[in-house]
Amino acid sequence: SAVISQKPSRDICQRGTSLTIQCQVDSQVTMMFWYRQQPGQSLTLIATANQGSEATYESGFVIDKFPISRPNLTFSTLTVSNMSPEDSSIYLCSVEGATGSSYNEQFFGPGTRLTVL
Amino acid sequence: AQSVAQPEDQVNVAEGNPLTVKCTYSVSGNPYLFWYVQYPNRGLQFLLKYITGDNLVKGSYGFEAEFNKSQTSFHLKKPSALVSDSALYFCAVRDIKAAGNKLTFGGGTRVLVKP
Repeated sequence: SAVISQKPSRDICQRGTSLTIQCQVDSQVTMMFWYRQQPGQSLTLIATANQGSEATYESGFVIDKFPISRPNLTFSTLTVSNMSPEDSSIYLCSVEGATGSSYNEQFFGPGTRLTVL
Repeated sequence: AQSVAQPEDQVNVAEGNPLTVKCTYSVSGNPYLFWYVQYPNRGLQFLLKYITGDNLVKGSYGFEAEFNKSQTSFHLKKPSALVSDSALYFCAVRDIKAAGNKLTFGGGTRVLVKP
């Protein structure tokens, strides 16, 4: 399976500011995804990060609030913009279609724990 | 639309006893089904998947799951639980007819294995 790292691992931010989370994979992957896990809850897909084109957002998530970049096949960023306490969550990057891995299963990064004051 | 239900918020079991974590799903087409485990302050780890073929799939750490199409279920099982199995378990589904490889997760089941 691919080795996935995320930076930062955690952060405490003030409301109204923005935070950019990085996701780095040790091999080229076909698909990259960003999820949110609110405290005590399940995972919700924010968007699919498309290489070389705009991300595909799920219902309830918009580009102005969660801009995403994916400049190549191993790297993506998620920005949480104009943060409020409701954005306090764990943000997870996942990948599918890594070199040497079968399709269909997603592998997850360690997550970024965000607290907004 | 695709959805997953994990009817139990928490499962308590004594070490050495069998462990079952329940999952039912709903998809319009045929499902791909997955189990993940999340340990405290860590990301999700893939346990096993059902894509096609044998209804009983075996995965990591001695876990297995049985796909039951008539009951639309994919329960996770382990014959003899360990204290170290205490974690949060998520079932997920993908409709193979849906575009975008979207995974939908259940609400999670916390497993507590007592010594």
